Amino acid sequence: DSGVTQTPKHLITATGQRVTLRCSPRSGDLSVYWYQQSLDQGLQFLIQYYNGEERAKGNILERFSAQQFPDLHSELNLSSLELGDSALYFCASSVDPGGSYNEQFFGPGTRLTVL
Amino acid sequence: LAKTTQPISMDSYEGQEVNITCSHNNIATNDYITWYQQFPSQGPRFIIQGYKTKVTNEVASLFIPADRKSSTLSLPRVSLSDTAVYYCLVGDMGNNAGNMLTFGGGTRLMVKP
Repeated sequence: DSGVTQTPKHLITATGQRVTLRCSPRSGDLSVYWYQQSLDQGLQFLIQYYNGEERAKGNILERFSAQQFPDLHSELNLSSLELGDSALYFCASSVDPGGSYNEQFFGPGTRLTVL
Repeated sequence: LAKTTQPISMDSYEGQEVNITCSHNNIATNDYITWYQQFPSQGPRFIIQGYKTKVTNEVASLFIPADRKSSTLSLPRVSLSDTAVYYCLVGDMGNNAGNMLTFGGGTRLMVKP
């Protein structure tokens, strides 16, 4: 158990819908990362938040957005869903001590299926 | 943007040493190299991280040559439970905002008895 929790574990929805994925980082971790893992794309970095502010942006679609709240949990919002958005979505957290050494702890993931 | 390349798969036998290499020709000055292990239906798990030369911990070693354009994860005396997918991650996860984190495509390691 990494200490990172993600809800829900599974999500099945239809095209065009909107969903919200939730992540609670390890106690004390200020950074949250979101990743998408699909069979044909591997692990893709989406976005990183640090202490409530966006720090880095990866291959995140405009239909997707994220935020980190004052209690440090984070939500990833996916809208106008398409079949190709079906994937495992992982959240990770790290302490972010200020140096470049950085161990990310991954949650168990949310499996999204778009029908 | 550092593009990373790894072998798609490798086979080994119990008790052997396994070396998995990742190529990252465009690695930036501030980028670190991190290796993760992933089992089916689980999130990746940190193995080791380094910047240059050699790093060793209780489970693996990481070799990074002077030009830093590649790195090699070394797993000593693998067991059946080391069967997993191994990813290298290149990026600056420090204080420099806006830096991409780039995962390799993963190497599927199969350890046979």
